Amino acid sequence: QSVLTQPPSVSEVPGQRVTISCSGSRSNIGQHAVNWFQQLPGKAPRLLIFYNDLPASGVTGRFSGSKIGTSASLVISELQSEDEAEYYCSAWDDRLNVVVFGGGTKVTVL
Amino acid sequence: EVQLVESGGAFLQPGGSLRLSCAASGFTFGNFVMAWVRQAPGKGLEWVSGISDNGGSTYYAASVQGRFTVSRDNTKNTLFLQMNNVRDEDTAVYYCAKTNSGLSVESAMEVGLGDWGQGTLVTVSS
Repeated sequence: QSVLTQPPSVSEVPGQRVTISCSGSRSNIGQHAVNWFQQLPGKAPRLLIFYNDLPASGVTGRFSGSKIGTSASLVISELQSEDEAEYYCSAWDDRLNVVVFGGGTKVTVL
Repeated sequence: EVQLVESGGAFLQPGGSLRLSCAASGFTFGNFVMAWVRQAPGKGLEWVSGISDNGGSTYYAASVQGRFTVSRDNTKNTLFLQMNNVRDEDTAVYYCAKTNSGLSVESAMEVGLGDWGQGTLVTVSS
């Protein structure tokens, strides 16, 4: 059971938009910035969004992040086949003194 | 270009020991907080440990506290993870990752793990 909660999967047709939610608590998302990672099959994770809403270097503007209270969201606009991957949110947790990850969300492009 | 190359992964029995290494290049290693993150087969990401830029502060996941030790040699641009008394549940690909900051481990993690190695596989089984 992950400390941060994400939906296991989302799917959409190409060109549409998907939103991935990440729910936490006051000790993690409530107090600290959220980062988002993309992991393509068989590859290492890649930082997409840091500090809640800042795109990492080289990341297309189709990816955007936001945070309100103890929840965060990643939006993928104009969905493309190459976006099929696992997506993870993370944040520092004051109570555990570690980085906590969400369980991951598999994005499928129909 | 930032490069992180892990090595040391192996097959070992429960209770055994192993040291992972991560050779860094393309940046001033001693200026950045580093971390180890693992991924069990078919599972999600789990943060294992973090270490400050000078090695003076370290943090561990509860699942490895007391068994794993993170360290770094800034003169050799290398990050280490000493794994002792390993268990079946330690089986995973272990990634070395670089933050984009040299502040405290907590603050650096907020800025994100911007660069990752390719990972090294550790398999624990009797």
